[in-house]
Amino acid sequence: GQQLNQSPQSMFIQEGEDVSMNCTSSSIFNTWLWYKQDPGEGPVLLIALYKAGELTSNGRLTAQFGTTRKDSFLNISASIPSDVGIYFCAGQLSDGGSQGNLIFGKGTKLSVKP
Amino acid sequence: NAGVTQTPKFRILKIGQSMTLQCAQDMNHNYMYWYRQDPGMGLKLIYYSVGAGITDKGEVPNGYNVSRSTTEDFPLRLELAAPSQTSVYFCASSSGAGDSNQPQHFGDGTRLSIL
Repeated sequence: GQQLNQSPQSMFIQEGEDVSMNCTSSSIFNTWLWYKQDPGEGPVLLIALYKAGELTSNGRLTAQFGTTRKDSFLNISASIPSDVGIYFCAGQLSDGGSQGNLIFGKGTKLSVKP
Repeated sequence: NAGVTQTPKFRILKIGQSMTLQCAQDMNHNYMYWYRQDPGMGLKLIYYSVGAGITDKGEVPNGYNVSRSTTEDFPLRLELAAPSQTSVYFCASSSGAGDSNQPQHFGDGTRLSIL
């Protein structure tokens, strides 16, 4: 089946640092989504991207839909402690057979540097 | 604004027992989904529904059943619980797919342990 490669798997941040993570796929997606999951909770949507090349911001978060439609990145600027958590990318197809099903990456875990 | 509500939040089952995980949404969404999340992994689709009376298998449907008698509710049933079904289960809903892909909104999950 389709797979998304999300990297890095984990990273440590210091307050104020910028953070980057990305997802790549061998498949073409029509929508890219970025979610954040806090412990004990469900994923919460951060940014949705619908067009190749689209660059969208949500506060300190910026995400881009790659022009090949096979990749996306998420940047967090000037990180703060509440940014810790697990970030998931998800690609969504819109062909007749998939009914909008999401394919998830394995997540990037953000932790605070000790 | 409740969104997607899952019950129970936690449950421990013995091998061979059955149970139903409940999911309800109050956003009048046609599309609903069940995922499982294993430690250190992303979410994998178990079943989905595009509207009342319509369900279909996802990536990992074995050992589960679903029904969709109303737009609001999408219960997931485990008939014979097995240790491999120990996981966190998430329900999600969205208002559209296809050409009008809409983001999925998730519940807080049900943590299920099979012992």
